[in-house]
Amino acid sequence: DTGVSQDPRHKITKRGQNVTFRCDPISEHNRLYWYRQTLGQGPEFLTYFQNEAQLEKSRLLSDRFSAERPKGSFSTLEIQRTEQGDSAMYLCASSPRLATDTQYFGPGTRLTVL
Amino acid sequence: AQTVTQSQPEMSVQEAETVTLSCTYDTSENNYYLFWYKQPPSRQMILVIRQEAYKQQNATENRFSVNFQKAAKSFSLKISDSQLGDTAMYFCAFMISGTYKYIFGTGTRLKVLA
Repeated sequence: DTGVSQDPRHKITKRGQNVTFRCDPISEHNRLYWYRQTLGQGPEFLTYFQNEAQLEKSRLLSDRFSAERPKGSFSTLEIQRTEQGDSAMYLCASSPRLATDTQYFGPGTRLTVL
Repeated sequence: AQTVTQSQPEMSVQEAETVTLSCTYDTSENNYYLFWYKQPPSRQMILVIRQEAYKQQNATENRFSVNFQKAAKSFSLKISDSQLGDTAMYFCAFMISGTYKYIFGTGTRLKVLA
């Protein structure tokens, strides 16, 4: 069991550029979650998937954000036309089918928008 | 709205001593789960301990235990025999049963002193 992995770990981009992050959950975990963590704050829920279906999106997830999990395995989070306010740590987590209350977190992708 | 409050932004404790981190939450729901997660510097969040709200018995995991007071909506974490490796940011979180999203507090930064 290799744990949740995220790529890249760090991303620096200029305002207005598009960025995409990838999350690979623990094998056979059917639920996958995205959170955003800004400096000095706890993570805030963005969205989650059960298999390939996106079941809930937070109002924090503006139209510039889109997430996919096309085959129910890895997921991508894309931010279009990045803004400085998008600078944050983006965390991915997954949970197993039979213990859905416990989430296992990845190391996160730190985004800096210049 | 559901909220989690961690009133201690920073704490320190001498190695081998005991420390208690406080957490209060607000919800009108009756079925939920409570968690403490540890986030070491530049490392991913890991689950320390979880508590099911319907269980009156306080959860314990080795040196970590909780004091769950459901009526007071309080969920404190006690760390006994503190070790240098316990130095981290600690987040309290809860999840309403069936919602699959965590609500986090702002965290308590704990430093264990040699």
